[in-house]
Amino acid sequence: GQQLNQSPQSMFIQEGEDVSMNCTSSSIFNTWLWYKQDPGEGPVLLIALYKAGELTSNGRLTAQFGITRKDSFLNISASIPSDVGIYFCAGLPIAASKLTFGTGTRLQVTL
Amino acid sequence: DAEITQSPRHKITETGRQVTLACHQTWNHNNMFWYRQDLGHGLRLIHYSYGVQDTNKGEVSDGYSVSRSNTEDLPLTLESAASSQTSVYFCASSVGGELTEQFFGPGTRLTVL
Repeated sequence: GQQLNQSPQSMFIQEGEDVSMNCTSSSIFNTWLWYKQDPGEGPVLLIALYKAGELTSNGRLTAQFGITRKDSFLNISASIPSDVGIYFCAGLPIAASKLTFGTGTRLQVTL
Repeated sequence: DAEITQSPRHKITETGRQVTLACHQTWNHNNMFWYRQDLGHGLRLIHYSYGVQDTNKGEVSDGYSVSRSNTEDLPLTLESAASSQTSVYFCASSVGGELTEQFFGPGTRLTVL
């Protein structure tokens, strides 16, 4: 099936630092979604992107739909302890009706 | 407020038993999905439904079944539980059409001994 490569797999940062992560595919996607999952909970939708080049913010989070339509990026500015969790990307390939999920980026924030 | 709930949140069962996990959403969404989440595999689609009486197999459907008798519920049944089905199960729903955003329930942790 379709594969989404998400990187980095994990990252340790200090409180206040900015964070960047990305998701890439070998094929073109129509939609990119970014989720955050806290321990013991279900994924929560952060940002949805529907157009190539689209840049969307949600508070300190900013996500972009890559121009090639094969990648997406998530940035978190001025990280805080509650940003800890696993961030998943998900995409809808062209001519597909089901989302494909990345394997996640585990973010840990140190004080 | 509209929401999506799953029950039970935790379940321990024995190999060979039938198990049903419940999923209930109050958003009136057409689409509902079941995923399992395992280390190293991310979220994998088990079954999905685009409306009442509609069900479809996902990438890991063997050993699972679903039924959709109304808009709100999509129960997932493990016909004869196996240890390989020990996992965390998530239900999700979406409006449908061009809006592909899926909203997830809190999950059910299933252990098959």
